[in-house]
Order: sequence, then structure tokens, then C-alpha cells
Amino acid sequence: ETGVTQSPTHLIKTRGQQVTLRCSSQSGHNTVSWYQQALGQGPQFIFQYYREEENGRGNFPPRFSGLQFPNYSSELNVNALELDDSALYLCASTPGLAGFSGANVLTFGAGSRLTVL
Amino acid sequence: AQSVTQLGSHVSVSEGALVLLRCNYSSSVPPYLFWYVQYPNQGLQLLLKYTSAATLVKGINGFEAEFKKSETSFHLTKPSAHMSDAAEYFCAVSGLSPGNTPLVFGKGTRLSVIA
Repeated sequence: ETGVTQSPTHLIKTRGQQVTLRCSSQSGHNTVSWYQQALGQGPQFIFQYYREEENGRGNFPPRFSGLQFPNYSSELNVNALELDDSALYLCASTPGLAGFSGANVLTFGAGSRLTVL
Repeated sequence: AQSVTQLGSHVSVSEGALVLLRCNYSSSVPPYLFWYVQYPNQGLQLLLKYTSAATLVKGINGFEAEFKKSETSFHLTKPSAHMSDAAEYFCAVSGLSPGNTPLVFGKGTRLSVIA
């Protein structure tokens, strides 16, 4: 079975631009979560998508938005990029709602490293 | 609200020595606890998880962790460190709560193994 794949792996943007990051969930997983990992920090929850709807959101502003498609793949969009948005963005999938049943294990992708200049 | 504190941002051990990475959690509901490992330029890989069964949990690569409710701790150990264990380790907590809270991670502990 294929795992979670993310693209692009690295990208550089300038302040004020917009970025779209993509994620393909592991086969059989219908829930996708996105995390932001700043340098030297642990991952922080951005939001989670289940059945194409946002289901849970962390402390991130509305310029962070997402989509989930019928095949369970997902996009993370960030508008009006700021320097502090520079981070590794991790996508994770799980069979069922993470947190709804806390035992569900998240399977992570390798991440997309975003640098904002 | 759930939270995790990892004591020590960097731990250094000699090859063959005991590895002990500390994690304390805060949760208002019975927690699910996890340890993840992150190798350079890679995503997170699950080492082990506690889901209210046995308090001593065995994971991959010889790691294990013990859930101690009285101490609100979930420390990670390995009897003998190997060079390949050098990585960043994250403790995380999840739990049944309104709003479907996913994982809350600690800040991580970087493990260095000295030959």
C-alpha cells in the first residue's frame, strides 16, 4: 500500500504571495489533517478534513484554508504569506476521525518545506 | 485542554547506553499517548502508542514507554542506544473530547548518540 505523499517537497515564495500544497492520503484513509512544524518546534495542528468538510481547526488565521476531494486527497492553501509561515507542512491521514477515536493513528507524509522571503 | 511537556530539548548518550526521553502530559480526559520519531528531512513515524490497555507499551526498534497516571508521565526508554537512533523524538497526546481534538505534540527532544 502506498503511504501519504506530499508535493512539492520544497518551495520558496515571497511575502504576500499565495501557496498551495497537496497531499494524497494513504489508501483506505478518509481523514486528512494538516500540521505546521516551525524550525525547532513540534508540529501544530492546522485543521482536519473528513468527508470533504473541515472538521476541527487549530489556532490559525482564516488565510489558512483547505480542501478535501472525493478521492480523499487534500490541499492546503495559504494566502498573503508572512515570513513566519516558513515551516515544514505535514499532512497526515487516518481511517476515521483522529480525535473522535483517539486511538486512530496518524500516518504522516514527508512534508513540504516552505520558505518565505 | 491537552498539553505535553518534553523535558530536555537535547539528550546525548553513548552508543550502548540507556536512552531515557521524558514526557509529561496534561489531559482532562483519559488520554491516548504516542511517541513519534522524525529522521532528518523525513516525516513522523509512529514508535508506539498507549490506548488504555497495558501500561507498559512496546514499540518498534526496541523502544518502550510506561504510562504512569499518578505522575502524568509517559517516558520513552531503550536499554541500549544505537547510532541509528539519532533523531528527533516527539511525544503527543490525544483524547476523546468535544471538537475532535487531534494530536497535540510536545516540542521534541533531539537524541544524539556518540560512538
